[in-house]
Amino acid sequence: EDQVTQSPEALRLQEGESSSLNCSYTVSGLRGLFWYRQDPGKGPEFLFTLYSAGEEKEKERLKATLTKKESFLHITAPKPEDSATYLCARPPGGSYIPTFGRGTSLIVHP
Amino acid sequence: DSGVTQTPKHLITATGQRVTLRCSPRSGDLSVYWYQQSLDQGLQFLIQYYNGEERAKGNILERFSAQQFPDLHSELNLSSLELGDSALYFCASSVAWADEQYFGPGTRLTVT
Repeated sequence: EDQVTQSPEALRLQEGESSSLNCSYTVSGLRGLFWYRQDPGKGPEFLFTLYSAGEEKEKERLKATLTKKESFLHITAPKPEDSATYLCARPPGGSYIPTFGRGTSLIVHP
Repeated sequence: DSGVTQTPKHLITATGQRVTLRCSPRSGDLSVYWYQQSLDQGLQFLIQYYNGEERAKGNILERFSAQQFPDLHSELNLSSLELGDSALYFCASSVAWADEQYFGPGTRLTVT
C-alpha cells in the first residue's frame, strides 16, 4: 500500500531556531509531491509542488526539497506565526488516490 | 481566501439523520475533492470528481455519496449518520485532475 509518512509528529522550536521536517514515501511512480500548511480548524493552505529529484522551492522562511525517496521542509529562523501543522501529500495519478501524511505539528515559541 | 466556498460552516444533527454539504470550486477549476478529517485519522480522501465525472474513490462509506453538477459545484450527502461521522469535512478543487489542490474552510459536522 502506498504510504506517505511524516516525521517528527510534533516539533517545538524557539524563535530563530532553524529545523527540518521530513516526508518520506513508498509510493511508486511518484508524480510530484505537495506541501501544505494547516492552522487549527481551517483548511490546508497550499505551499509548494515539487516534481523531480533535486528540485527546490522557497517561500519566505520555508524551503522544500525533494529526493527520490523523501522530501524536506526546511524552516529558517522561524517565527511564532509559523506555528501550524505541515502536511505533505502525493497527488492522484493513474490508479492512485491523493494521499496525505499525518502531518508535523510545529510550535514556535517566542 | 482560497476561492473555494463550503456551506454550511457548522452542522449539528442527530444519529440516523441525513445531511448535505455543498462546495463551490475556484473559478476555472474542473476537479473537486472531498476529505474527512478527524482527530485520530488525519485527512482522509473520500472522492474526486473531474468535470462532472467520478475520477477517484477513497475509503468512502456506502452511506456517503457525492456528485458534481454541470455548473461544477459539488454536494456530499451523508446518510444514516453515526456518532463516528462527526468530523471536519473539506472540499478542495484543482484546475486539472492531478494539480495542487486548494481547500475550502470546511464544514464541521457534529452528530449527537
